[in-house]
Amino acid sequence: QAVVTQEPSLTVSPGGTVTLTCGSSTGPVTSGHYPYWFQQKPGQAPRTLIYDTSNKHSWTPARFSGSLLGGKGALTLSGAQPEDEADYYCSLSYSGASVFGGGTKLTVL
Amino acid sequence: QVQVVQSGAEVKKPGASVKVSCKASGYTFTGKNVHWVRQAPGQGLEWMGRITPGGGGTRYPQRFQGRVTVTGDTSTNTVYMDLSSLRSEDTAVYYCASHYEGGLDVWGQGTTVTVSS
Repeated sequence: QAVVTQEPSLTVSPGGTVTLTCGSSTGPVTSGHYPYWFQQKPGQAPRTLIYDTSNKHSWTPARFSGSLLGGKGALTLSGAQPEDEADYYCSLSYSGASVFGGGTKLTVL
Repeated sequence: QVQVVQSGAEVKKPGASVKVSCKASGYTFTGKNVHWVRQAPGQGLEWMGRITPGGGGTRYPQRFQGRVTVTGDTSTNTVYMDLSSLRSEDTAVYYCASHYEGGLDVWGQGTTVTVSS
């Protein structure tokens, strides 16, 4: 099974910009992996922020964006807010089977 | 209101099986992927499989092959996840998540399964 890698932790200053990445052990991440990004706060169920690389839901704040960057999936947060402090998970699809990354704990400090 | 509601918490002994349900309201599961994801205490998310109710088939990760079964009942708009041969490492919160308008936009509240002798 493929392994999906994420930064274990990142810190961003309020108002700052940070990029979280999502890599694949099988090679470059492409749109064919249908990258998803999820946000999870303590004690809550995950919620989907980004799907199919860059598509947003109605509840996804405009400061979040998804892309492919340097062979990886990427989630960029521009203008971080204190409420963005959370765990972020990506998932990739491999011929219909999904694999989650280990998650990135994002601290806004 | 569009939502999915999962069944309540379960406590099981090692070796037993557990069946968790996920019922949609406000829309129909038919033709839409429904995924199961779990999260052990203090750990990350783990994909356990998916179904497309109404004949679209199922898919499971290799590590759960033979131990997890996902089924769907279109008449009650409910999907089930059955996990057998439970061990302590299966203690986790189990979530179902579905596409409504797309992009896994509907998540259940989670079901805590505790495996303990």
